[in-house]
Amino acid sequence: GENVEQHPSTLSVQEGDSAVIKCTYSDSASNYFPWYKQELGKRPQLIIDIRSNVGEKKDQRIAVTLNKTAKHFSLHITETQPEDSAVYFCAASSDTGNQFYFGTGTSLTVIP
Amino acid sequence: NAGVTQTPKFQVLKTGQSMTLQCAQDMNHEYMSWYRQDPGMGLRLIHYSVGAGITDQGEVPNGYNVSRSTTEDFPLRLLSAAPSQTSVYFCASRYRITATEAFFGQGTRLTVV
Repeated sequence: GENVEQHPSTLSVQEGDSAVIKCTYSDSASNYFPWYKQELGKRPQLIIDIRSNVGEKKDQRIAVTLNKTAKHFSLHITETQPEDSAVYFCAASSDTGNQFYFGTGTSLTVIP
Repeated sequence: NAGVTQTPKFQVLKTGQSMTLQCAQDMNHEYMSWYRQDPGMGLRLIHYSVGAGITDQGEVPNGYNVSRSTTEDFPLRLLSAAPSQTSVYFCASRYRITATEAFFGQGTRLTVV
């Protein structure tokens, strides 16, 4: 099955700086890569996703890049704000598969 | 729409007790699933269903049962609770099995003593 690795496990940045979280996957059939944000005590919520026919996708301060050849994808958050503090999960899935495979999460702290 | 509704929010069980975690969605989603979340281990799939009457095992199914008698409901049963089942449980649904956004319930924090 698919194996998704996520790094780093914790990340602290100063407010206004950028944050980058990286994930790798093993199954070349994976073609959908969502990112979920989970605030403390809350449910995970989708913040951005990318499909394998696209190399980059942006939504305001958030962007995701995908390198299919190297089997890795990254979340980029620019101009970080304290409300960006949360745990972020990457995941991988395929049209022929039946589940999301999640990374182990990155706890992001934005220091005011 | 309420989305995905999960109950209870908190539960304490004694070892050997059984219980059912409830999950309901009102979005007419085909696909429903249960995950457990443990520190440092991300979200791991327990069981999933691609439609009423159809269920299958995920990554960590032992000690859990599920059924899907209607499109809306997907309960998770713990047969004989063990301390290793102490975790936060999330129900999630998707419109269909292929790659689409997953919507999560608010979670159940279960402690087995």
